[in-house]
Amino acid sequence: EAQVTQNPRYLITVTGKKLTVTCSQNMNHEYMSWYRQDPGLGLRQIYYSMNVEVTDKGDVPEGYKVSRKEKRNFPLILESPSPNQTSLYFCASRSQWQGLDQPQHFGDGTRLSIL
Amino acid sequence: GENVEQHPSTLSVQEGDSAVIKCTYSDSASNYFPWYKQELGKGPQLIIDIRSNVGEKKDQRIAVTLNKTAKHFSLHITETQPEDSAVYFCAASKNTGFQKLVFGTGTRLLVSP
Repeated sequence: EAQVTQNPRYLITVTGKKLTVTCSQNMNHEYMSWYRQDPGLGLRQIYYSMNVEVTDKGDVPEGYKVSRKEKRNFPLILESPSPNQTSLYFCASRSQWQGLDQPQHFGDGTRLSIL
Repeated sequence: GENVEQHPSTLSVQEGDSAVIKCTYSDSASNYFPWYKQELGKGPQLIIDIRSNVGEKKDQRIAVTLNKTAKHFSLHITETQPEDSAVYFCAASKNTGFQKLVFGTGTRLLVSP
C-alpha cells in the first residue's frame, strides 16, 4: 500500500530537549516536504526536498532542520524545541514528473506539544 | 509570493443540501489548484484538482470551477452526506519546476443528518 509514515504520532516534551520526527514514503517519490498546521493558519511549509541531498527552506523554517540522505526518508529535527513549535506536523511526498504537477500524499500527522 | 484566501472558515449544512467553498489567489501565474479533505486524525487527502486550461471539473458529487480572470476557484459538493463532514483545504501552485503548494486556511464543513 502506498503510504507516507510519520513517527511518533504524538509527543509531549520539554523546552530544549532535541527531538526528531521521522517520515518515510514507499512510493519512490523525489519530492518530500514538511508542513505545520495551526488553527486559522492552514498548512505552512517548513522545509522541502527535491531529491536526495537537495533541501531548501519553506515559509517557516526557523528552529527546524531536515536531512535527505535516502530517497525514502525525510526526518524533521528540532534541535532546541520551544513552546511556539507546539503544532500538528505533516510530511508529504509526490512524484516529480517534469512539467506537470502531481498530487501530494500526506502522512497522518504528528502532534507535538512543547512544554 | 502567492497568497490564497479561503471562505468561509466554517460551514454548516443539512444532509442533502449543497455546499460551496470559495478561494481566491493572488499570483496570476498559478495554474494548478487542488482541493484536499482532512478527516479527524488523518492527513489531508486530495479529492479533486483542476488546471488552468480547464474551467470546470466534476467527479460524482463534487465539482470545482475556476475563473482565471477573477483569480478565484470554488469547490461544490452536492447532496451532502454526514461523511462529507471534514476540513477542506484549497491550494494553488505554478508549474515552474519548483511547484510549491500554497494552502488556504481551511473550511470546517459540518453536515447534519
